[in-house]
Amino acid sequence: QLQLQESGPGLVKPSETLSLTCKVSGASISGSTCYWGWIRQSPAKGLEWIGNFYYSGNTYYNASLKSRVAISVDASKNQFSLRLSYVTAADTAVYYCARQADDGSGTYYNPFDSWGQGTLVTVSS
Amino acid sequence: DIVMTQSPDSLAVSLGERATINCKSNKSVLYGSNKKTYLAWYQQKPGQPPKLLINWAFTREYGVPDRFSGSGSETDFTLTISSLQPEDVAVYYCQQYYGTPFTFGPGTKVEI
Repeated sequence: QLQLQESGPGLVKPSETLSLTCKVSGASISGSTCYWGWIRQSPAKGLEWIGNFYYSGNTYYNASLKSRVAISVDASKNQFSLRLSYVTAADTAVYYCARQADDGSGTYYNPFDSWGQGTLVTVSS
Repeated sequence: DIVMTQSPDSLAVSLGERATINCKSNKSVLYGSNKKTYLAWYQQKPGQPPKLLINWAFTREYGVPDRFSGSGSETDFTLTISSLQPEDVAVYYCQQYYGTPFTFGPGTKVEI
């Protein structure tokens, strides 16, 4: 059974870098034909897609965050990470990692069919 | 970006009655070459992540009760709960995955 679990600091100071990790169990990121990604949810912006990646392919980011965001993968640990730099209070949100469904097309044009429980990150001094 | 809107913001429905949620996109999410509609519906209960209910506008995920149904095309979509059950109290979101950035509607809260 696929499980995703986010981890990382719950409090980040303004202008610093938010770093989160998503540990995947029940499936292999490197052996998967799915895309994996990050989504955040806040009262102000609702659900917001941050970015996604395909293990042997490219990484894609929301243009609104692209200059500050990076997603990386550690296949040996079967996990992937999110870094968001120069955070402000507007980045306070629940951050989810998720898998996109695989319809066999090899594209990322698929819904998010598995989600982690989410982790609240607050940006405050 | 494709903007998703939903109506109503919230609705109260009696147990066993029908709930109807509407979703609109400001651009068609129907891909002409494969005739697929890139629209999903999610259910989110308090303290939980969103759960995928329906993809491709009307295909229920495995295990989703058949009282949930999706309909619509191009820019106008509907999620219908045919007979509301207590466990259906939640916020429902539509999402387009036709293009990036993938975008979600603001949500509709369903109460009894």
